[in-house]
Amino acid sequence: KQEVTQIPAALSVPEGENLVLNCSFTDSAIYNLQWFRQDPGKGLTSLLLIQSSQREQTSGRLNASLDKSSGRSTLYIAASQPGDSATYLCAVSQASGANNLFFGTGTRLTVIP
Amino acid sequence: NAGVTQTPKFQVLKTGQSMTLQCAQDMNHNSMYWYRQDPGMGLRLIYYSASEGTTDKGEVPNGYNVSRLNKREFSLRLESAAPSQTSVYFCASSEFGAGANVLTFGAGSRLTVL
Repeated sequence: KQEVTQIPAALSVPEGENLVLNCSFTDSAIYNLQWFRQDPGKGLTSLLLIQSSQREQTSGRLNASLDKSSGRSTLYIAASQPGDSATYLCAVSQASGANNLFFGTGTRLTVIP
Repeated sequence: NAGVTQTPKFQVLKTGQSMTLQCAQDMNHNSMYWYRQDPGMGLRLIYYSASEGTTDKGEVPNGYNVSRLNKREFSLRLESAAPSQTSVYFCASSEFGAGANVLTFGAGSRLTVL
């Protein structure tokens, strides 16, 4: 069974710092990988989706990379802001026709003003 | 632009009581899902509905039932609640299957079973 791990579980950085969040998965046969943001008491919001054939995907200050062969993805956040404080989760899909995603436990990010 | 709406947001039950969590989406999505989120664990799929009229078990279906009432609505029922079902429940939807499509999540329903 696919297992998705996110380390560290929590991270605090000063405002303005660039940072990297990590996601690893045990089975490299994935179809795509998604990064989500979850604010306290709220649902998940999709940030970026990377297809298995892609190496990276960018949206504004966010850049997600994927190294399928090594089972790793990173989410790079540039010039962090207090509004970036949230829990970030990654999830992998095993096939285009799959109906389940395998989620990591998330990294709780705090950006200190 | 409501997206996915879940009710109730909070609920406290006693062991053995029953309840239904309601979910509705207004994006004309075909697929809908129920996940649970527990501390220290990733979200786990309880049930899903790939299209109107169909439902299937996910990873942790025991103790739950679902109904896809129509294309918009997908409900989750606990027939006899147990403390192990204390969790935050999320409903989600996608245009087609989760494997290739972005999921839109509701805000969650926090359930406590005493």
